[in-house]
Amino acid sequence: SQQGEEDPQALSIQEGENATMNCSYKTSINNLQWYRQNSGRGLVHLILIRSNEREKHSGRLRVTLDTSKKSSSLLITASRAADTASYFCATPAYNQGGKLIFGQGTELSVKP
Amino acid sequence: NAGVTQTPKFQVLKTGQSMTLQCAQDMNHEYMSWYRQDPGMGLRLIHYSVGAGITDQGEVPNGYNVSRSTTEDFPLRLLSAAPSQTSVYFCASSSGTSYSYNEQFFGPGTRLTVL
Repeated sequence: SQQGEEDPQALSIQEGENATMNCSYKTSINNLQWYRQNSGRGLVHLILIRSNEREKHSGRLRVTLDTSKKSSSLLITASRAADTASYFCATPAYNQGGKLIFGQGTELSVKP
Repeated sequence: NAGVTQTPKFQVLKTGQSMTLQCAQDMNHEYMSWYRQDPGMGLRLIHYSVGAGITDQGEVPNGYNVSRSTTEDFPLRLLSAAPSQTSVYFCASSSGTSYSYNEQFFGPGTRLTVL
């Protein structure tokens, strides 16, 4: 079963707009991670937020974490056409080494 | 550093054939894993390893074997290919082996088609 579920599954916006993607998970976590995947490529790590953090920034990215609601959001501000990609949240499986469980992803399309 | 490398990039097999997907990393990472990615399914973990000589099953291990004789290499073997194994395969590595986890580094993927 999937630990992380992203919402929406697809998102289409204009360049310059903000994009918000949400992730919900089921069990207690130590941290939550966001990855980006460009078409035909491997995944690239964007940001990691730990369970004792509520918000984290990296450039135009802002991630929030609400452990009481078991949810996280990824905000991309002032989006660019180059942000077009799929975005995945991932959480570590409890007590299973480095195993990560990925959601199904949000496909973001940014139109110029 | 080359990071995580995978070979081949593309492969076509006939049902019943066997093959090995290669994965190597030069970051001295203890943790390595194999995922498959299918449309609408996200990434699913096939097998993983927390160090040389140690491997374990993920969510979808059937039809695949792995071994980890060195820290650098983590090959994935398809014993008898089936059309259901048509997918894109990603290898990943990380320096984290404990519950307090670190980011994973992904290879570019191998696109496999089984006819």
